Amino acid sequence: EAGVTQSPTHLIKTRGQQATLRCSPISGHTSVYWYQQALGLGLQFLLWYDEGEERNRGNFPPRFSGRQFPNYSSELNVNALELEDSALYLCASSALLAGGLSYNEQFFGPGTRLTVL
Amino acid sequence: AQSVTQLGSHVSVSEGALVLLRCNYSSSVPPYLFWYVQYPNQGLQLLLKYTTGATLVKGINGFEAEFKKSETSFHLTKPSAHMSDAAEYFCAVSVGGDMRFGAGTRLTVKP
Repeated sequence: EAGVTQSPTHLIKTRGQQATLRCSPISGHTSVYWYQQALGLGLQFLLWYDEGEERNRGNFPPRFSGRQFPNYSSELNVNALELEDSALYLCASSALLAGGLSYNEQFFGPGTRLTVL
Repeated sequence: AQSVTQLGSHVSVSEGALVLLRCNYSSSVPPYLFWYVQYPNQGLQLLLKYTTGATLVKGINGFEAEFKKSETSFHLTKPSAHMSDAAEYFCAVSVGGDMRFGAGTRLTVKP
């Protein structure tokens, strides 16, 4: 079974540009999560999508946005890039547990390393 | 919202020594708790999880953790450290699918 995949592996942009990061969840998983891992700052929760809807977002400005497609893959867009956006962006997927009340553990992709110059 | 505090951003042990990584959580409802490990330049890998039932949870690579509700803790232990255990470890708490991670603890294993 294929794991969570992310593309591209590395992305280099300049300040003010836009970046688009992509994620494909494990087959059968309906939830996709995005995290930012900047040096020394741990994992910061960005966005959670489930069944095409945004379920929650972290404390990030609106220039961080995303969407989830009908096939459950997801895209993270970062507009007006700033130097401090340089980080590893991790995507994870999860499945709803039987009963529909909670979710199983998250499975992570290898990440996209975004560098803003 | 739920949150996690990991005590100690860096822990150093000798090979063969006990590993103890501390995690305390805050949640208004019974949470699910997780420990993940991250090796350099990789994503996170699940070590173990607590959802319901037995409070002592065994995971991969000889790690285990005990859920103590009275102490709101979920500390990770391994009886004997191996050089390959050197990595960053993250504790996480999930309520209804909304997961929050601790800041991480970097484990160094000395020969």
